[in-house]
This record gives sequence, structure tokens and C-alpha cells, in this order.
Amino acid sequence: DGGITQSPKYLFRKEGQNVTLSCEQNLNHDAMYWYRQDPGQGLRLIYYSQIVNDFQKGDIAEGYSVSREKKESFPLTVTSAQKNPTAFYLCASSPALQGAKYFGPGTRLTVT
Amino acid sequence: GQQVMQIPQYQHVQEGEDFTTYCNSSTTLSNIQWYKQRPGGHPVFLIQLVKSGEVKKQKRLTFQFGEAKKNSSLHITATQTTDVGTYFCAGPRGGADGLTFGKGTHLIIQP
Repeated sequence: DGGITQSPKYLFRKEGQNVTLSCEQNLNHDAMYWYRQDPGQGLRLIYYSQIVNDFQKGDIAEGYSVSREKKESFPLTVTSAQKNPTAFYLCASSPALQGAKYFGPGTRLTVT
Repeated sequence: GQQVMQIPQYQHVQEGEDFTTYCNSSTTLSNIQWYKQRPGGHPVFLIQLVKSGEVKKQKRLTFQFGEAKKNSSLHITATQTTDVGTYFCAGPRGGADGLTFGKGTHLIIQP
């Protein structure tokens, strides 16, 4: 059963702590993305990766870091430097550049 | 940077009425994509339009791409309760990968 998985679905952290969100895909897609969604807002691109061991900053990369050591995995770390980390985080993959994006179920992060 | 504006932000309709959402870009787009997000869910890809003036249909949904490739619309005929959700348009990020999303139109259907 192919798809994108994100875990956990809900995550709670104290302010000042780093937290890593998981994203795994078995669709054999080269490109992977991280988006952030705030209530009533569209999606904003945090980071993307077109190939293993390479990634690029998106529109709101400050306070975030990523790695792409395997084609299937693209974890996102929300660092303590991110000023407003509470949000819905969505991972996506795509079979082609500028092509359709296939989203995972998302992780709702709450930082207090 | 490139912006994608979407209107209206909210649309209330009676079940059976039609619904339209509009998307406008500040720059010419090579393509435009549409996504649907159900309440509590994640965005799901609906369609990609590439050609100037293109019109595509998916059952009760009709998608159009403007002649100048700077605007697009999604029209739903005879809405059903299953159409509830937020509809997003998205365009390329001006030479870089990824997408720029509009803020979406929330469709609320009253039975």
C-alpha cells in the first residue's frame, strides 16, 4: 500500500525544545517537501528536496532544519529558534518537478 | 515575490446550488494546480492546468485557466455535502521548485 506517512499525528512540546517530525514515503518519488499551515491560511513552503543529500530553503525556512539521507525519508526539525512553532505541518512528495504534490496526513504541533 | 490571491475566502451555499472560486496571480503562470482539503484532513490534488484557455471537467467540477495564464477558476455544479472543504489553487514558485498556495476558499454547505 503506497503512500506518505507522518508521525505522530499530534505532538506537544515545551518552549525551548527542539522537535523532529517524521515523514516517510514509499512512492519512489524523488522530490519531497515540507509545508506549514496556520488556521485559515494557505500552505507555506519550509524546505524541499529534489534528490537525496540535497535540499533547498523554501519561503519560511528560518528556525527549521531538514535532512535527506534516504530517498524515502525527509525529517523536519523544528528548533527552539522558530518563534511561532505551533502549526499543522504537512509533508508532500512529487514524482516530477512542478508536478502534483501528494500530501501526508500531517502532524499538529503544539508548543507551550 | 509571486503571490496567488484567491476569492472568496468563505462561501456559504444551499445544497444543490452552484459554487465558484477564483484564483489570480501577480505573474504569468506556467501551470496552476487545484487541491481540496476536507475539514481536519490534508490537501488532495485535484487537477493541473497547463495550456492558455484550458478547460477541464471532473464530473460536477469545471476548471478553467485564463487566456493570459494569470487567473483560474473552479466551478462546482449542484453542490453536495461531500463537497464541503477548502479549495486551494497553487502556482509554481517562479523558477524554484515547490508551490505558492492561495489562502483557499472555504465552502460551507447548508442542507
